Amino acid sequence: DIQMTQSPSSLSASVGDRVTMTCRASQSVTSYLNWYQQKPGKAPKLLIYAATNLQTGVPSRFSGSGSGTEFTLSIRNLQPEDFATYYCQQTYSSLMYSFGQGTKLEIK
Amino acid sequence: EVLLVDSGGGLVQPGGSLRLSCGASGFSFSGSWMTWVRQAPGKGLEWVANINQDGSEKYYGDSVKGRFTISRDNGKSSLYLQMNRLTVEDTAMYFCARVQKPFARSDYWGQGTLVAVSS
Repeated sequence: DIQMTQSPSSLSASVGDRVTMTCRASQSVTSYLNWYQQKPGKAPKLLIYAATNLQTGVPSRFSGSGSGTEFTLSIRNLQPEDFATYYCQQTYSSLMYSFGQGTKLEIK
Repeated sequence: EVLLVDSGGGLVQPGGSLRLSCGASGFSFSGSWMTWVRQAPGKGLEWVANINQDGSEKYYGDSVKGRFTISRDNGKSSLYLQMNRLTVEDTAMYFCARVQKPFARSDYWGQGTLVAVSS
């Protein structure tokens, strides 16, 4: 099974800041890596797919990078609505689409 | 407009069974892979199962393999999750989602349905 590890587990930042969070895979997933945002009581929302592609309708302040085993999600010019929990998900292995444990982005 | 509506959750005793449903509209359901994802209270997302367009391919997470069955009825644009031998660890919000290939991104999600397993 492919294990996904996100860091940090939580992150404090202010409106207007730029933040970066990391997702590491236990083996290469090439570019089969998606990022989701989830707010309390809501379904996840797709932000980035195939490691670097911005989902339609998602603001351009979100960006993704990486390939193989190490990936990052960056958010520049943080807005109040960006404070949420972020999850990465590998879909390289058809047998199991595993998620990372999440990074909670909080207001400083 | 794409819409996924999850239903069927509720309170069930350990060892019991429950069938979740996900009604789809606004897209080609019969042309789409579908997935179930769950989230235990205060915990992260856990992938549960996938199914391909005609139901001939099904994949399950280790924690549900042998107990849960994913299925679909393309004529009714509906996705199902039959859950048997439930344990307290299955207590979670269950979401269905459409899977867009390539890269299997889940771009549309249901609102979730809550399953509580307790005696």
